[in-house]
Amino acid sequence: EVQLVESGGDLVQPGRSLRLSCAASGFTFDDYAMHWVRQAPGEGLEWVSGINWDSGNIVYADSVKGRFTISRDNAKNSLYLQMNSLRVEDTALYYCAKKMATTGGYYFDYWGQGTLVTVSS
Amino acid sequence: EIVMTQSPATLSVSPGERATLSCRASQSIGSNLAWYQQKPGQAPRLLIYAASARATYIPARFSGSGSGTEFTLTISSLQSEDFAVYYCQQYNNWPLTFGQGTKVEIK
Repeated sequence: EVQLVESGGDLVQPGRSLRLSCAASGFTFDDYAMHWVRQAPGEGLEWVSGINWDSGNIVYADSVKGRFTISRDNAKNSLYLQMNSLRVEDTALYYCAKKMATTGGYYFDYWGQGTLVTVSS
Repeated sequence: EIVMTQSPATLSVSPGERATLSCRASQSIGSNLAWYQQKPGQAPRLLIYAASARATYIPARFSGSGSGTEFTLTISSLQSEDFAVYYCQQYNNWPLTFGQGTKVEIK
């Protein structure tokens, strides 16, 4: 059974940093690209960042570029999101999501339950 | 950035009726479109990819169509478990973008 379990969400002040983690199991982690998608309270989905299987291709949304860093440790079956210079508008539930296929389009067949990041003074 | 626009924002449907949800892309995305369902307190669930291919274990009452800039998700006969918010997502260009969602509610 595929499982994605996020952790690391917290209440932080603007300008501070936070590191999110996503522990994956039930599939061959290093075969798949992984992504982060967020959802502000009561709002829709916003794609944040993605990383391919060997970390050789990394992409970010403009809203987080230069502040967030995605990474993965295939030996630990884990995905990370280092979030620096946090802003109030980064407040959201952060999901990690698995790309469905090893090739082809970027859509997501498994999602974690999310970890909540709240940025407030 | 490709803007995805969903309509209507809210759709009121009686159980057993057909629901038709629309998604429009600001530029052509071919068939590079996915649909997700999200229920309160749950993560999104993939329903459709490549505009019309059903994901694993998705019932046949869900179908997708369209290409280019106009797409449709049809639920042929709404069941109680289908009342949720539905999102479209394009994956033709970076950044990946989602529509704002259509809430399907009980009439």
